[in-house]
Amino acid sequence: GESVGLHLPTLSVQEGDNSIINCAYSNSASDYFIWYKQESGKGPQFIIDIRSNMDKRQGQRVTVLLNKTVKHLSLQIAATQPGDSAVYFCAEWGNKLVFGAGTILRVKS
Amino acid sequence: DAGVIQSPRHEVTEMGQEVTLRCKPISGHNSLFWYRQTMMRGLELLIYFNNNVPIDDSGMPEDRFSAKMPNASFSTLKIQPSEPRDSAVYFCASSGQGSTEAFFGQGTRLTVV
Repeated sequence: GESVGLHLPTLSVQEGDNSIINCAYSNSASDYFIWYKQESGKGPQFIIDIRSNMDKRQGQRVTVLLNKTVKHLSLQIAATQPGDSAVYFCAEWGNKLVFGAGTILRVKS
Repeated sequence: DAGVIQSPRHEVTEMGQEVTLRCKPISGHNSLFWYRQTMMRGLELLIYFNNNVPIDDSGMPEDRFSAKMPNASFSTLKIQPSEPRDSAVYFCASSGQGSTEAFFGQGTRLTVV
């Protein structure tokens, strides 16, 4: 029979292009917003976080943007590589760590 | 450090049986989380411990689920009796004091038949 599950959005990008993954969050009281990456068969792995009083933070090849007005979080990956292919989750840290639904990133060589 | 260690990696059990999942957090970490991941519901927080004390268990589905953390280096998640709808990948994660970086184990893939 047909399986019903979460329909994760998928982003397909060409190797070398920049990727932008978006997330809408719900809890305005969260202290931190965080991005995790999950590769097939593994647990999620921390990428970068941003404190709620900031609007931008840069890491190595990644940038996180926070727009509290519209409760929107984005992850930008520069020069996307095949190894970036994974499911990306945004997460909120208020009094506990809660994850969003995830976005699949596929990198075409 | 070997990271967060979960056991077993795979578990297949019959409906009605008791299942115990185990987790060894990273030494020195004081927060421990149990998550369940399914296609239907994504990554759900089941319970969160801080300094071995359960802080939030609002995600525990029902009384069949219980979790303990008897000391800083060990936690268990028990399902009794297990049901087919409990089939999922269960993750344990730990983080240090004041850190937002949670380190995840490899997960336990549970199949209840």
